[in-house]
Amino acid sequence: QVQLVQSGAEVKKPGASVKVSCKSSGYTFTDYYVHWVRQAPGQGLEWMGIISPSGGSTNYAQKFQGRVTMTRDASTSTAYMELSSLRSEDTAVYYCARGGTMIIVSPDYWGQGTLVTVSS
Amino acid sequence: QSVLTQPPSASGAPGQRVTISCSGRSTNIGRNTVNWYQQLPGTAPKLLIYTHNQRPSGVPDRFSGSKSGSSASLAISGLQSEDEADYYCATWDDSLNGWVFGGGTKLTVL
Repeated sequence: QVQLVQSGAEVKKPGASVKVSCKSSGYTFTDYYVHWVRQAPGQGLEWMGIISPSGGSTNYAQKFQGRVTMTRDASTSTAYMELSSLRSEDTAVYYCARGGTMIIVSPDYWGQGTLVTVSS
Repeated sequence: QSVLTQPPSASGAPGQRVTISCSGRSTNIGRNTVNWYQQLPGTAPKLLIYTHNQRPSGVPDRFSGSKSGSSASLAISGLQSEDEADYYCATWDDSLNGWVFGGGTKLTVL
């Protein structure tokens, strides 16, 4: 069965960076896009960006341009999301989700989420 | 402010039918397929409806979706207590060159 398992919770200080991992299984990793979506406490879902099946291209939401980097490693079926210059407003649960074989296909399977807390 | 507009809340009694709207623009809902997600408290979102009105395996046929122009709706019939959750619409936006979500609707089963 399709599974996406994310790394554990992180606590970071303002100005630091965080890198969240998302290990996939149960499907051909190199055929599908991977989305990253975050959810601040008590708030809605916010799309951060997407990485192509090959890892050769990314689309980032304008809000995160310059601060986010999405990568993937086919050898371990793992996707990564790194967010830099963290501020308190970045405190949120970060989700990875499997996209489709095309960028406009909806995310279907989701990871369990990774809580990132930014606090001095 | 979300690109897609949803009512913040909705409610209904067990057994009733409730609809949740999602309003967008020509560059998103108007041109692309709409998807709906259910998020139970403390859990990750779950795909409920894709491509306007298709249900993934395991999703009851009590859930249905529709689209008209630049708006979409999710309908839940035969409301059950376990349907109490947050619901989000989502689609691709050609202008933003990215995905957009609605602000979410909290469904309460009375």
